[in-house]
Amino acid sequence: KAGVTQTPRYLIKTRGQQVTLSCSPISGHRSVSWYQQTPGQGLQFLFEYFSETQRNKGNFPGRFSGRQFSNSRSEMNVSTLELGDSALYLCASSWTANYGYTFGSGTRLTVV
Amino acid sequence: AQTVTQSQPEMSVQEAETVTLSCTYDTSESDYYLFWYKQPPSRQMILVIRQEAYKQQNATENRFSVNFQKAAKSFSLKISDSQLGDAAMYFCAYPTTLNYGGSQGNLIFGKGTKLSVKP
Repeated sequence: KAGVTQTPRYLIKTRGQQVTLSCSPISGHRSVSWYQQTPGQGLQFLFEYFSETQRNKGNFPGRFSGRQFSNSRSEMNVSTLELGDSALYLCASSWTANYGYTFGSGTRLTVV
Repeated sequence: AQTVTQSQPEMSVQEAETVTLSCTYDTSESDYYLFWYKQPPSRQMILVIRQEAYKQQNATENRFSVNFQKAAKSFSLKISDSQLGDAAMYFCAYPTTLNYGGSQGNLIFGKGTKLSVKP
């Protein structure tokens, strides 16, 4: 059974640019959520998608957005990148929250 | 507000020994789940163990077990017979289960405990 796949693994972008990260959940998982991990703030929830609709959103500016496709794959987009957006972005999928979330290996974004 | 606190930023254990990582949380809910995740240098978060709050019995997964004290809102992780491969960041997490519109809620994480295993 394939795990959660995130692409790309690494990204280097310049301030002001935009970036799109991709996440393919475990087959059958309809909920996909995104987290930002930084040394200073730890793991922070960005948003969750279920059946192509954003169901839940963390406290991040509107530059952070996402979407989910009919096959449950999800993308997140960050526009007008800032240095502070440098982080590990983790995607997680779940069947039900009760059984936990399965994470991908993350995308390491560096903004220079 | 729902919070998760891990008071030990770093811990160290000798190989084959036992170590306990602490976690406290704050919630007003009566039925919920708690998780411990492991994040090795490979970055992937791996679910170590889960506990259902309505169950009195502490969860166990091979060398990993928890000490769940619901009244004290404490959820510690015990690793027995520690192995070099156990070295990682360990995160305690609590899911906010919204359960509307199909939402599975989101995880609230503690700051993590970095575990080192000495050979």
